[in-house]
Amino acid sequence: RKEVEQDPGPFNVPEGATVAFNCTYSNSASQSFFWYRQDCRKEPKLLMSVYSSGNEDGRFTAQLNRASQYISLLIRDSKLSDSATYLCVVNLGSGNTGKLIFGQGTTLQVKP
Amino acid sequence: ETGVTQSPTHLIKTRGQQVTLRCSSQSGHNTVSWYQQALGQGPQFIFQYYREEENGRGNFPPRFSGLQFPNYSSELNVNALELDDSALYLCASSLGAPGQGARAFFGQGTRLTVV
Repeated sequence: RKEVEQDPGPFNVPEGATVAFNCTYSNSASQSFFWYRQDCRKEPKLLMSVYSSGNEDGRFTAQLNRASQYISLLIRDSKLSDSATYLCVVNLGSGNTGKLIFGQGTTLQVKP
Repeated sequence: ETGVTQSPTHLIKTRGQQVTLRCSSQSGHNTVSWYQQALGQGPQFIFQYYREEENGRGNFPPRFSGLQFPNYSSELNVNALELDDSALYLCASSLGAPGQGARAFFGQGTRLTVV
């Protein structure tokens, strides 16, 4: 079983749509959670951290369910520029090396 | 943009050769991590260096080795290259280990092709 699992997609949505990505992680000791965005042939960039209370950044909302070991990302009012691969990332936290464990990524294509 | 620079950006090597990839971390960052990203996959942790010492290693064979220098820049060395080593190699720097709340900043990567 992969440590972080995501549906690779692709998700093809029209501009203005709302799209949700989900991710599950296997290690219950995971302490930090993130969504990264990666454009084609570029480096991953931090989109947002994810907290148990849920957090929002503009059109983006992230949720964490520790009991179910489940992370989600909701994108509202999709823009063409949102087209990218979204990587779910967990970290085991202090006492560990701090390595980031990445999912396979979910590809989003927003069409006009 | 992130202050993390990697060189070279692209590289083609022959199976069995050795390669050295370089990373300059963001100013003041003392931790460097290396990741391998195969096509269609997420990045996989290779190892991390903190203040010139290896501070954790992923499931990679010993032919993957590294160094961190006093200025916190780093090298990734791969010996006896195999075709499956073809990937994007990413360097990430942070002030402290990401597990302790430090944010990691990635370089643009080195795309290695082994033929």
